[in-house]
Amino acid sequence: GQQLNQSPQSMFIQEGEDVSMNCTSSSIFNTWLWYKQDPGEGPVLLIALYKAGELTSNGRLTAQFGITRKDSFLNISASIPSDVGIYFCAGRTGNTPLVFGKGTRLSVIA
Amino acid sequence: DAGVTQSPTHLIKTRGQQVTLRCSPKSGHDTVSWYQQALGQGPQFIFQYYEEEERQRGNFPDRFSGHQFPNYSSELNVNALLLGDSALYLCASSLGGGASTDTQYFGPGTRLTVL
Repeated sequence: GQQLNQSPQSMFIQEGEDVSMNCTSSSIFNTWLWYKQDPGEGPVLLIALYKAGELTSNGRLTAQFGITRKDSFLNISASIPSDVGIYFCAGRTGNTPLVFGKGTRLSVIA
Repeated sequence: DAGVTQSPTHLIKTRGQQVTLRCSPKSGHDTVSWYQQALGQGPQFIFQYYEEEERQRGNFPDRFSGHQFPNYSSELNVNALLLGDSALYLCASSLGGGASTDTQYFGPGTRLTVL
């Protein structure tokens, strides 16, 4: 079945630094989604991407749908303490169920 | 506007037992999807209910079953529990079935521990 490889698994950054993470798939997707999960909560949708090459922003977050349709990237600019959490990528093709990556755990050092 | 609610919050069961988890969707939503999230992993799709029928199913054995009621709330049932069923079970709601999961809202989950 489809698999998503998300990297890095974890990262520790200083407050104010920019963050980059990515997700690759073994097969082509036509939808990429990025979620954030805080402790004790369910994932919350951050950005949705539907077109190869698409670049979409949500505040300090920017995500891109890779042109190969097998990858996606998430960048966070000027990180703040509340950015701490686990970031998940998810993708699907057609009407298939979403497939999630294993997550990137972000820690911000003030 | 109530969001997605799940009950119970935590549950401890022993191997071989059966468990029922409950989910109330966000107001106005008619579709419920269930996910299993093992420790350190991303959510894994179990199944989706829309119009009181199972519409899609992930790679889970038939020990996992569900139901959707006319008020759109849903139950997840797991029979013959195994140690490996220990996980956070997430419910997500959306409107319109199918790919509406792109805009789904997740509940806080039920933490199931199987001893």
